[in-house]
Amino acid sequence: DTGVSQDPRHKITKRGQNVTFRCDPISEHNRLYWYRQTLGQGPEFLTYFQNEAQLEKSRLLSDRFSAERPKGSFSTLEIQRTEQGDSAMYLCASSLVQGYGYTFGSGTRLTVV
Amino acid sequence: RKEVEQDPGPFNVPEGATVAFNCTYSNSASQSFFWYRQDCRKEPKLLMSVYSSGNEDGRFTAQLNRASQYISLLIRDSKLSDSATYLCVGLSRGGGNKLTFGTGTQLKVEL
Repeated sequence: DTGVSQDPRHKITKRGQNVTFRCDPISEHNRLYWYRQTLGQGPEFLTYFQNEAQLEKSRLLSDRFSAERPKGSFSTLEIQRTEQGDSAMYLCASSLVQGYGYTFGSGTRLTVV
Repeated sequence: RKEVEQDPGPFNVPEGATVAFNCTYSNSASQSFFWYRQDCRKEPKLLMSVYSSGNEDGRFTAQLNRASQYISLLIRDSKLSDSATYLCVGLSRGGGNKLTFGTGTQLKVEL
């Protein structure tokens, strides 16, 4: 499979727990994006990386959220002390710098109970 | 005000009908526009790009009016398989090619 893969597909966690999601982009894509989508809304930008550098973070990304892309390949998104409002679909996408051909992964659906 | 606004619907139409979706945007920094399709509980997938000259792909026609900051999508001869949410999306070239999504318009095509 040469697309963007995300793991896990679903995560149910108790409020206050930490969770970590992983995204493996298309191998030749040097840009990697995280978006969040809540019910009835379109996806909203969270952050993006160019290679291993995190170049922008949305104000939606509170201090409880951290993202890394240590070797410029896969990325992780960690949420600490989860809240019910964090329940959403977390989407990862990748692209080339020169183009805007985004490819989205299937997403990780988080439910905080 | 959201940067990209859409009527959330749902639009319930009979099979074979023609349906039009509209979208307005407020951020002139968005330089390119797209329509994405999203099936229930799936990721969004690119349907088509939108140009000022208009573009057509089979039963789908998209149009951009920069003066009015208005984007449209027309679907002719609707199929049951067209049932999905259609997302209007702007791309800002500056700052990493971020996508700005509308809330999406839900389409249900019925027998």
